Amino acid sequence: DTGVSQNPRHKITKRGQNVTFRCDPISEHNRLYWYRQTLGQGPEFLTYFQNEAQLEKSRLLSDRFSAERPKGSFSTLEIQRTEQGDSAMYLCASSPDRAEEGYTFGSGTRLTVV
Amino acid sequence: AQSVAQPEDQVNVAEGNPLTVKCTYSVSGNPYLFWYVQYPNRGLQFLLKYITGDNLVKGSYGFEAEFNKSQTSFHLKKPSALVSDSALYFCAVSDLYGQNFVFGPGTRLSVLP
Repeated sequence: DTGVSQNPRHKITKRGQNVTFRCDPISEHNRLYWYRQTLGQGPEFLTYFQNEAQLEKSRLLSDRFSAERPKGSFSTLEIQRTEQGDSAMYLCASSPDRAEEGYTFGSGTRLTVV
Repeated sequence: AQSVAQPEDQVNVAEGNPLTVKCTYSVSGNPYLFWYVQYPNRGLQFLLKYITGDNLVKGSYGFEAEFNKSQTSFHLKKPSALVSDSALYFCAVSDLYGQNFVFGPGTRLSVLP
């Protein structure tokens, strides 16, 4: 296990379609986070899991967005009825319970909605 | 709520010169502070962190950062810049529990040969 893995790396979809991204965290990390990053901006928090429990969701996460981590391992982020404004880099990160360890990020999934 | 400011959108420096990328923060309680670097079309890579202890922390690739509690700053520094240091740099702050990890807007560093 060499790090956080995200798939796919790139996704181009037509407006209105549904998309799903996957994140495989570092295996011993209990915490998993999703962030969204638009061009030239810092990452914005979307949601956070402690094991399989989704503990926090940002108001950025509209009802078209849903995230799961069913077995406390990998996570999926689904966007329904995509809009052009959803075009962004979606970053996943994981961490142990101790805050001082910081986060380990994946390479991200770049979504383009046309 | 935590917040992070990076007052410079862009920093330009000549190769071989020292560089500084500025960061100020606001957090209730003791801060956990981090610097990350991002290369084009890549995720964020950890550079260094301040949790407690010495105010000067050393990290990857020759970078260091100085924690200044009175000025609520955590500036990133490197004595001699390389062209390969050109990237986007993000400062971040977390609370004690690591549940509120907030990033600054980023500073683009360009090191000119």
